[in-house]
Amino acid sequence: GAGVSQSPSNKVTEKGKDVELRCDPISGHTALYWYRQSLGQGLEFLIYFQGNSAPDKSGLPSDRFSAERTGGSVSTLTIQRTQQEDSAVYLCASSLDANTQYFGPGTRLTVL
Amino acid sequence: SQQGEEDPQALSIQEGENATMNCSYKTSINNLQWYRQNSGRGLVHLILIRSNEREKHSGRLRVTLDTSKKSSSLLITASRAADTASYFCATPDTGFQKLVFGTGTRLLVSP
Repeated sequence: GAGVSQSPSNKVTEKGKDVELRCDPISGHTALYWYRQSLGQGLEFLIYFQGNSAPDKSGLPSDRFSAERTGGSVSTLTIQRTQQEDSAVYLCASSLDANTQYFGPGTRLTVL
Repeated sequence: SQQGEEDPQALSIQEGENATMNCSYKTSINNLQWYRQNSGRGLVHLILIRSNEREKHSGRLRVTLDTSKKSSSLLITASRAADTASYFCATPDTGFQKLVFGTGTRLLVSP
């Protein structure tokens, strides 16, 4: 594809349920990032994958959050036992050189 | 941790006017980038300025960087309603592996 894609675009879930968010990066981009943006706020870094290296998980807010990247391409962000404070837009970005990042359209998560 | 802080938080101007946004950061950097975000969704990369550059232009955008003051400014000339968006500066973290984004400036350009 031409750009980073994310699915679903919107997700409404009930408190306590698990959710999976998907990111398809630009083909050939070795770096992949997940961010979270709460309403009217800046971007909060969550996790970073670079090639086959161990991911940088330093931004994950709790152990309910996890992410994996299969085959160095598609990534899935999983939030277990969702809480209302998890409601936000989750943005994925990919990069070739760890400088310019290309963002997907985001997934808007609403936890009721 | 938040590296960049944008100023002002919000800016409202008329079409045709210039818009200036400022960004301050805390640690040494090798580059600084500006991104635009429409309607709270994906960000679009606008421009990158390296630490050894003082000014850079791209179309109606002009970016300056003052490493002694740890600050950058983004100037949009002859603004249009379509420039309405949030603008973020971003700098690499200490490991130069990921970007740290500022708090953003919300720009509203009225016709």
